[in-house]
Amino acid sequence: DSGVTQTPKHLITATGQRVTLRCSPRSGDLSVYWYQQSLDQGLQFLIQYYNGEERAKGNILERFSAQQFPDLHSELNLSSLELGDSALYFCASKGGEGGQYNEQFFGPGTRLTVL
Amino acid sequence: AQSVTQLGSHVSVSEGALVLLRCNYSSSVPPYLFWYVQYPNQGLQLLLKYTTGATLVKGINGFEAEFKKSETSFHLTKPSAHMSDAAEYFCAVSDQDNQGGKLIFGQGTELSVKP
Repeated sequence: DSGVTQTPKHLITATGQRVTLRCSPRSGDLSVYWYQQSLDQGLQFLIQYYNGEERAKGNILERFSAQQFPDLHSELNLSSLELGDSALYFCASKGGEGGQYNEQFFGPGTRLTVL
Repeated sequence: AQSVTQLGSHVSVSEGALVLLRCNYSSSVPPYLFWYVQYPNQGLQLLLKYTTGATLVKGINGFEAEFKKSETSFHLTKPSAHMSDAAEYFCAVSDQDNQGGKLIFGQGTELSVKP
């Protein structure tokens, strides 16, 4: 158990819909990262937050957005869903803002299926 | 910019045989390198990491990896495979162009262990 929790574990929805994925980092970790894992793209970084502020952005679609709340949990919002958004979405947390040598701790993921 | 290439999307070994999973990286600065393992329907778990210092890094479950700067490689090995090692393995480099330290992953190698 990494200490990072993600809900829900599975999500099935229809095209055009909007969903929210939730992540609670390890106790005390200020950085939260979101990754998408799909068969064709592999593991791709989406976005990072540190203590409530956006720190880095990857190839995140405009239809996707995220935020980190004062209690440090984070939400990833996916809207106008398309079939190609079906993937496993991981959240990871890390203690510091930088610390590129520090490992990230991954949650179990949310499997999103868009029908 | 950093990048990672994992040679071989599928590797199959017999139980008790040597495990060798290959990873090559590209980085203009000294890299921070990681190996993660993903068991079916689970999140990613850190096996080991290289930051600085000793180039032979020991990790969990009997795995080790050697950082070879001249070959830009960070191959993962285990002397004797066990059935429980069957999983997907990801090599990653920490993005040092960005203070956030997002991980850049290889495409993954699926390890099968035959009895």
